[in-house]
Amino acid sequence: NAGVTQTPKFRILKIGQSMTLQCTQDMNHNYMYWYRQDPGMGLKLIYYSVGAGITDKGEVPNGYNVSRSTTEDFPLRLELAAPSQTSVYFCASSSPDRGAYNEQFFGPGTRLTVL
Amino acid sequence: AQRVTQPEKLLSVFKGAPVELKCNYSYSGSPELFWYVQYSRQRLQLLLRHISRESIKGFTADLNKGETSFHLKKPFAQEEDSAMYYCALIGDSNYQLIWGAGTKLIIKP
Repeated sequence: NAGVTQTPKFRILKIGQSMTLQCTQDMNHNYMYWYRQDPGMGLKLIYYSVGAGITDKGEVPNGYNVSRSTTEDFPLRLELAAPSQTSVYFCASSSPDRGAYNEQFFGPGTRLTVL
Repeated sequence: AQRVTQPEKLLSVFKGAPVELKCNYSYSGSPELFWYVQYSRQRLQLLLRHISRESIKGFTADLNKGETSFHLKKPFAQEEDSAMYYCALIGDSNYQLIWGAGTKLIIKP
């Protein structure tokens, strides 16, 4: 199992550009999450999904959009990139309904810089 | 409000010395608490959770509801323990982790 994979690993965007961060998991987890981590800060939840076709906002959703058409994929879309979106983005998945004590499994992260 | 505080951004100790990484939380109910770790060039992973009452890689953490703390301890630090450590809690929801800012642990030889 590859677990949770994310692409790209690094990206530099210009202000106003858009991009999609890809996230795929092969563990058949229902729950998926997108976090951002700013320097010296903890992770903040952007969006989450509890299953295909179901998404909801987290703590910091502004400037982002998500979709969940399949169990495996949970892409994060940035429209009109702004310098405030410079951060490291982590995708994670979990399966709380399987009694796995809510462990979240993380991807390697995408480092995004907006100039 | 739910909050997790890790007061130390950096903790540096010598190999063989005891280690304690502090975590305090704010939550009115019964939280579910975790420690996650990120070793250099590796992804974030679960280290331990309070409900399992387990010891992983020599680390233990006890939930103290009176002091609202969940400090991570190890009696004898090893160089391979050097990493970023994050404390997190699940409160009202079954999915949303609330994270501390993390503590960078450096074990000096």
